Amino acid sequence: AAGVIQSPRHLIKEKRETATLKCYPIPRHDTVYWYQQGPGQDPQFLISFYEKMQSDKGSIPDRFSAQQFSDYHSELNMSSLELGDSALYFCASNSRRGSLYGYTFGSGTRLTVV
Amino acid sequence: AQSVAQPEDQVNVAEGNPLTVKCTYSVSGNPYLFWYVQYPNRGLQFLLKYITGDNLVKGSYGFEAEFNKSQTSFHLKKPSALVSDSALYFCAVRDMTGFKTIFGAGTRLFVKA
Repeated sequence: AAGVIQSPRHLIKEKRETATLKCYPIPRHDTVYWYQQGPGQDPQFLISFYEKMQSDKGSIPDRFSAQQFSDYHSELNMSSLELGDSALYFCASNSRRGSLYGYTFGSGTRLTVV
Repeated sequence: AQSVAQPEDQVNVAEGNPLTVKCTYSVSGNPYLFWYVQYPNRGLQFLLKYITGDNLVKGSYGFEAEFNKSQTSFHLKKPSALVSDSALYFCAVRDMTGFKTIFGAGTRLFVKA
């Protein structure tokens, strides 16, 4: 079965650079959620999208932005990267109609800022 | 390898009754265990975690979880369920690197009025 696909798997950037992370949800899933998990920290919800519109917002920094496209994939754009942005960024997807079902996590993108 | 298992896809309880959502884990070393909740169309919310100390951990919204090392379990409990507790609940374990959280498959909780 298809899973949530994230790319790239690993990314190394320098301070003040920008990064774009991608998340491809399971087919027929229309909602995408982004999370950040720093080393030794708990996952923090960043933002979610449904039908290309932002549906919920968590602790996403102003330097970050995200969007969902017509094919339901989502991109997290990170600018002016800081050392503290080094983390695992993972996404999840589900179908809004069955929002208590089928919530699936991606494997994540490990971002290292040097 | 670290893993968690949630044996129940769905739990149904009546409002006012106690609820239990089960979780078992497999880790090497000391477990860092978590419970998260996802309300419909919202991001995951942290409920509680066990790292060390008392086996009974109290968390948000009146939830608690009991760590049982001999049974390798970390069941989520609440003495009196509310309709608003209906959501998807995830048990999780932090992997040995501390960098990644491994989630269970989730348990759907339905609380009927």
